[in-house]
Amino acid sequence: EDQVTQSPEALRLQEGESSSLNCSYTVSGLRGLFWYRQDPGKGPEFLFTLYSAGEEKEKERLKATLTKKESFLHITAPKPEDSATYLCAVQESTGFQKLVFGTGTRLLVSP
Amino acid sequence: DAGVIQSPRHEVTEMGQEVTLRCKPISGHDYLFWYRQTMMRGLELLIYFNNNVPIDDSGMPEDRFSAKMPNASFSTLKIQPSEPRDSAVYFCATDGKYGYTFGSGTRLTVV
Repeated sequence: EDQVTQSPEALRLQEGESSSLNCSYTVSGLRGLFWYRQDPGKGPEFLFTLYSAGEEKEKERLKATLTKKESFLHITAPKPEDSATYLCAVQESTGFQKLVFGTGTRLLVSP
Repeated sequence: DAGVIQSPRHEVTEMGQEVTLRCKPISGHDYLFWYRQTMMRGLELLIYFNNNVPIDDSGMPEDRFSAKMPNASFSTLKIQPSEPRDSAVYFCATDGKYGYTFGSGTRLTVV
């Protein structure tokens, strides 16, 4: 059974203080690893998809990386508007479309 | 593009009552997913459809839960009878070119 574990559960940063969020996964065959951002009262919003070990993707202050066992979401010089819950999900390569999500990391960036 | 539209946004009902949640997917997206989100368990897949056909309903917790997709532009998730432990946020999502697109969710409270 696919498993996704995210750490830490919660993270508090000062504005400008860079850090990384971790997503460890177990899957029989990986089709893709997804990162989403979720703001309170809203649905998750797509950020990145990574498909193979060594792949990296960037968007503004966020950079996602992937190894065979885990993914990191690096946040460089965060701003208060980066405060949100960040969710990681995996999709198997078996042909099914479903995503299995981790429980997320709640990020709070203080000014 | 109005995105994935869910209704109602909030639902408060008494235990034992029937609850129907509604979803209008993005036109042209072949897959539709129903997820449930709680603090304890995060996002859990309940059921998903491909071209209006249910593919995997193994996440539906009990027979009290049922879902239909009568056509490509509408889906429902029904709980009958509802119980307090069903209280959660229910999301509908469709599979597009860049990953899932989620609706804003329905917050269900069963008292």
